[in-house]
Amino acid sequence: DIQMTQSPSSLSASVGDRVTITCRASQGIRNDLGWYQQKPGKAPKRLIYAASSLQSGVPSRFSGSGSGTEFTLTISSLQPEDFATYYCLQPETWTFGQGTKVEIK
Amino acid sequence: QVQLVQSGAEVKKPGASVKVSCKASGYTFTSYDINWARQATGQGLEWMGRMNPHSGNTGYAQKFQGRVTMTRNTSISTAYMELSSLRSEDTAVYYCARGSWGDVWGQGTTVTVSS
Repeated sequence: DIQMTQSPSSLSASVGDRVTITCRASQGIRNDLGWYQQKPGKAPKRLIYAASSLQSGVPSRFSGSGSGTEFTLTISSLQPEDFATYYCLQPETWTFGQGTKVEIK
Repeated sequence: QVQLVQSGAEVKKPGASVKVSCKASGYTFTSYDINWARQATGQGLEWMGRMNPHSGNTGYAQKFQGRVTMTRNTSISTAYMELSSLRSEDTAVYYCARGSWGDVWGQGTTVTVSS
């Protein structure tokens, strides 16, 4: 089974900071990776698919990169509405990363 | 617009079953798989299984094999997830999502298992 290891599990950052979250796959998954944002009490929302394709309507400060086994989600300038938990997802097996909670410093 | 609307919250006793519905609108229901995932309070997301609404074929996570059944009614564009032999650890929010890439999610259904 493919395992997805996401790091860090949490981080504290300030508005305007650049934030990077990493997801590692236990075996190569080409570019089959998505990134999701979840706010408390809400369903996850897709931000990125196919590792680097931005979901329509998602601000351009969000970007994804990587292929094979290592992937990153970058928020170029953190905004107040970006404080949330982020998950990576391998869509073939629907294996999620453990999540990264982005908190206000 | 494309949306998935789930049924309301449920409270069940241990040993009972629960059936959650997920009604699709704004797209051709049979064109995309439906995935189901759940999330216990303060925990991460856990995949339960998927169903192809066109064929009815299903694939379940090993953890739920024998306890979960996913079905659909194409005439009303609705998918169902039934979980049996409920225990307290099944208390969670249950989500349906469209397709392999989960581009659209239902709002979630809270299932509480308590005696």
